[in-house]
Amino acid sequence: DTGVSQDPRHKITKRGQNVTFRCDPISEHNRLYWYRQTLGQGPEFLTYFQNEAQLEKSRLLSDRFSAERPKGSFSTLEIQRTEQGDSAMYLCASSLTSGAGGEQFFGPGTRLTVL
Amino acid sequence: DAKTTQPNSMESNEEEPVHLPCNHSTISGTDYIHWYRQLPSQGPEYVIHGLTSNVNNRMASLAIAEDRKSSTLILHRATLRDAAVYYCILRVSNTGTASKLTFGTGTRLQVTL
Repeated sequence: DTGVSQDPRHKITKRGQNVTFRCDPISEHNRLYWYRQTLGQGPEFLTYFQNEAQLEKSRLLSDRFSAERPKGSFSTLEIQRTEQGDSAMYLCASSLTSGAGGEQFFGPGTRLTVL
Repeated sequence: DAKTTQPNSMESNEEEPVHLPCNHSTISGTDYIHWYRQLPSQGPEYVIHGLTSNVNNRMASLAIAEDRKSSTLILHRATLRDAAVYYCILRVSNTGTASKLTFGTGTRLQVTL
């Protein structure tokens, strides 16, 4: 399968623990996006990369969140000192082109539950 | 970002056409209209997009009002597999921006036999 993959698919953690998620975009896609989705809501933009450069971060991305994309390939999203409010689905997407026509391809998401 | 308004939910019978409306009265001249859908337990997937003219692809058709203040996604023959949340999104055409997607709450489409 050559789509966007995310790992793990599910993560249960205790409040205060750190978690890290991985996203593997479609190869040759230079743009990679992270979104967060809570129950009953549409996804919310968190951050995006063009190649290895992180070019935009939402104000939703507190200082407990950090994202990287070393070498412009896979990306990781780390949440430090998790809180119950961090429980959500974390979605990754990639695209080949910028501009309005650039279709974003989404992965299946990582569902985080913070106890 | 310009805002879109969609009904919370709609129902359709299988094999019948479905028209999903979207209002975007504050759309600017350079905003493209995108539609994505999200099936249960999956990430969103692209459906179609357009600027001014009506668009067709293998999944759906997009009808855009002449004043561009509204649009309609048309599924020509709904199947049970089309049951999903459908999002209407405005996206700026400026290539210098992130082209992030700003989702609303979408329309939940139920398809029944």
